Amino acid sequence: GQNIDQPTEMTATEGAIVQINCTYQTSGFNGLFWYQQHAGEAPTFLSYNVLDGLEEKGRFSSFLSRSKGYSYLLLKELQMKDSASYLCAVRDGNYQLIWGAGTKLIIKP
Amino acid sequence: GAVVSQHPSWVICKSGTSVKIECRSLDFQATTMFWYRQFPKQSLMLMATSNEGSKATYEQGVEKDKFLINHASLTLSTLTVTSAHPEDSSFYICSARVDRDYEQYFGPGTRLTVT
Repeated sequence: GQNIDQPTEMTATEGAIVQINCTYQTSGFNGLFWYQQHAGEAPTFLSYNVLDGLEEKGRFSSFLSRSKGYSYLLLKELQMKDSASYLCAVRDGNYQLIWGAGTKLIIKP
Repeated sequence: GAVVSQHPSWVICKSGTSVKIECRSLDFQATTMFWYRQFPKQSLMLMATSNEGSKATYEQGVEKDKFLINHASLTLSTLTVTSAHPEDSSFYICSARVDRDYEQYFGPGTRLTVT
C-alpha cells in the first residue's frame, strides 16, 4: 500500500530552526509537496520537489531524496505565526496526491 | 494568480435537508477539481475527483448518491450534500489544478454544521 509518515507534533522556540521529516512509500513518484495549514483554514502551498536536492524559498527550504523516499521541510527564524500543521503530500505514478496526516508545529516564545 | 473560491464559507442546516457548496477557480481554468473533507484534528480526506464534463470519481467509502458532484465548466464545481445528517458536519475543502503537472490550489473551505 501507499504510505506517508511524518511526526504528529513538534515543538520549537521562536527564532530557532526546525526540521519536519517525511518518509514515503508510493506506487511511482511524480513530485512531493509541502503545504501549511492553520487551524480552521485550508492548506496553502509551500514547496514542490521532484528532483533530489534542496529547494530554498525564503525562510523555508525543502529537501528530497528519491532513493531514500525521504523529504524534510526546514523552517528558519521561526515566528509565532509559523504555528500550524505542515502537510507532506506525494504525487504517485497515477498523478494522485497521497497525503500525510500532518505535523502540528507549536512555536513557543 | 491561482485563486480558488468557495461559497458559502460556513453553513448551518437542519438534518434531512440538502446543502450545495460551490467551488470556483477565479483566474485559471481547472481541468480537475478535488473535494476533501476534514474532521477536527484530522488530516485531509479526499472524497472525489472530478474532471470537467465527466462524472466524478469517488474514493472508497464515499457515497456518490449522498455527495453529488457536478463539474459543468472549467471554472466551477459543486458539491451537494443530500439529506444531511449531524455526522456530515465537517470542513469541506475543494482544490483545483490546471493539469496533472501542476499543484493543487485550495479554496478557503466551507464549514458545514448539521443540527
